[in-house]
Amino acid sequence: ELKVEQNPLFLSMQEGKNYTIYCNYSTTSDRLYWYRQDPGKSLESLFVLLSNGAVKQEGRLMASLDTKARLSTLHITAAVHDLSATYFCAVDALLTGGGNKLTFGTGTQLKVEL
Amino acid sequence: NAGVTQTPKFRVLKTGQSMTLLCAQDMNHEYMYWYRQDPGMGLRLIHYSVGEGTTAKGEVPDGYNVSRLKKQNFLLGLESAAPSQTSVYFCASSYPRVEQFFGPGTRLTVL
Repeated sequence: ELKVEQNPLFLSMQEGKNYTIYCNYSTTSDRLYWYRQDPGKSLESLFVLLSNGAVKQEGRLMASLDTKARLSTLHITAAVHDLSATYFCAVDALLTGGGNKLTFGTGTQLKVEL
Repeated sequence: NAGVTQTPKFRVLKTGQSMTLLCAQDMNHEYMYWYRQDPGMGLRLIHYSVGEGTTAKGEVPDGYNVSRLKKQNFLLGLESAAPSQTSVYFCASSYPRVEQFFGPGTRLTVL
């Protein structure tokens, strides 16, 4: 059974600081997604990582994937308050009946202090 | 495009009552999914569909049924609601093996 672990679960940081969120998963997969969720809102797709060594960047966020280590990271550079949200990684796995299932980590609740 | 929409946004049920949650998407996606989100547990897949007229069980299907009579709609039914089904329900849709797009969610409370 695929397990996805994120750490830390909670992260409080000051504006301007850098930090990394880690996502480890237990079985082989070549696809991983990062989503953002604001309180009371839906999930917004941030990054789609489709192969080993993939790196994607958008503004102050950069995501990478190491399929051999079964590890993805979401790096935050010079955090700003607007980045406060919960971040989820989700690992893609094929379903026997067709389709693909996302197994989500428990999320990292990020709070950037002004 | 509206993307993925869900009806209703909020609902309170009493134990034993039934209800249906409606999900609609206008992106012509083949695949549709129902997840539930509970505190500290991320999202868990309830049921999914890979095309019109087909459905399959996810990891937490007990107590739920689904139907996909039209490509754009995916219905989630609770036949006899229980307090353990208090949760936020998200519908998602996608093309095969690419990112899933999520609806705004339905917050359900079962008393």
